[in-house]
Parts: sequence; structure tokens; C-alpha cells
Amino acid sequence: QKEVEQNSGPLSVPEGAIASLNCTYSDRGSQSFFWYRQYSGKSPELIMFIYSNGDKEDGRFTAQLNKASQYVSLLIRDSQPSDSATYLCAVISGFNKFYFGSGTKLNVKP
Amino acid sequence: GAVVSQHPSWVICKSGTSVKIECRSLDFQATTMFWYRQFPKQSLMLMATSNEGSKATYEQGVEKDKFLINHASLTLSTLTVTSAHPEDSSFYICSARGGRVTDTQYFGPGTRLTVL
Repeated sequence: QKEVEQNSGPLSVPEGAIASLNCTYSDRGSQSFFWYRQYSGKSPELIMFIYSNGDKEDGRFTAQLNKASQYVSLLIRDSQPSDSATYLCAVISGFNKFYFGSGTKLNVKP
Repeated sequence: GAVVSQHPSWVICKSGTSVKIECRSLDFQATTMFWYRQFPKQSLMLMATSNEGSKATYEQGVEKDKFLINHASLTLSTLTVTSAHPEDSSFYICSARGGRVTDTQYFGPGTRLTVL
């Protein structure tokens, strides 16, 4: 079992829709959770982090954390073609070690 | 804040030569630096983790004698690809863990290596 699991996609959504990206993790002791965006040919960039159960909003992005279900998600409202990228979920485990998911490719169609 | 630079951004070299890539955290001291490799349309692959002043920890299957890592200070790590071959051609990305806002990994822009 991988430490962090993501559906590889591609996830296709029409422009203006809500894109929902999901991630599960195996270490119940994990405390810190991150979402990165990686455009093709570029390196990943941090877009959201969340530490507490519930929702955290930043502009069009909302990160959701449910520690009981070991589940993190990223919602992108009003999706734009420029949001098309691979989204990586990352977790710092209870042993303070970083784990990345393999990423979900998002396509936003004009 | 939390800017990581990487140099060079791209390099082309002949087979058998060595290439050095620098990674710097510009506005924070990094507790740990990481080196990744990524082939086209594939996921990031962690190569090694390094802490300042100590030997790097390599992931399984990564040759430590081929990929030399030096972590000279809290803001600088270097990766040297020794005796490069065409199969070493890839996108190499470093990251630095630290930052004032949150203790996470911040990535450099990457180095595209082509070995002829």
C-alpha cells in the first residue's frame, strides 16, 4: 500500500465547473497536508496547505481535510484552461517524513 | 518568500562527462534538501535526501557513486552526475524543506539534462 494515493486521471472538466481532486493517506499520525500544481515541463509549486480538519479556502481553491477518513481533497471553483496541470498531494507523516502522491492530471476544456 | 534557485536550467553534454547542478534556498535556511528526477509524462522520482554536513541518503536503485550529492551549507546543495550517459538524460529537480510560513518542500525550477 502506498503512503499517499491519488487517481492518476486524467480528470476532464468543462471551463467554469468545479474540479474535485482527491487524495488518501495511510499514516493516521500524519499532521501536515499540501497540494502542489505542476505544469508540463515545469517543477511543482505549492498552492495550498492544511493542518486542521475542515475546509481552508484561498481564492478559487479550497482544501478539505478529514483525518478520521484519512482523506484530503482540493476543489477548484470556476475552473479555467490555465488550471490544466498535474496536481500532487503531499503528506508529512507521523515520523516527519514527506510522501508525495503520483499526481492527478486535470484537463479543463474551453 | 521560500524561493529556491537551480543552476543551470538546462545543459547539454557529451557522454562520459560529468555535470554539476546547484540548488540554493535564497531566503531561508533549509533543514533538508531533496533531489528528484522526472522522465517525460512520469511522476517525480525521489533520488536522495541530504542534510547539511552529513552524507546523503539515497533511494533504492540510485547509484550513489554516479550521483554525487554535496550539501555544503544550509542554503546550498549540489548534484554531480558523473560519467553521464544518454539514459541519464532527464529533468532534475531539487527541493528545500523549510520556509517561514510552513515547513514544507519548495521546489527549484529544475534542470533539463541532455546527454549526447
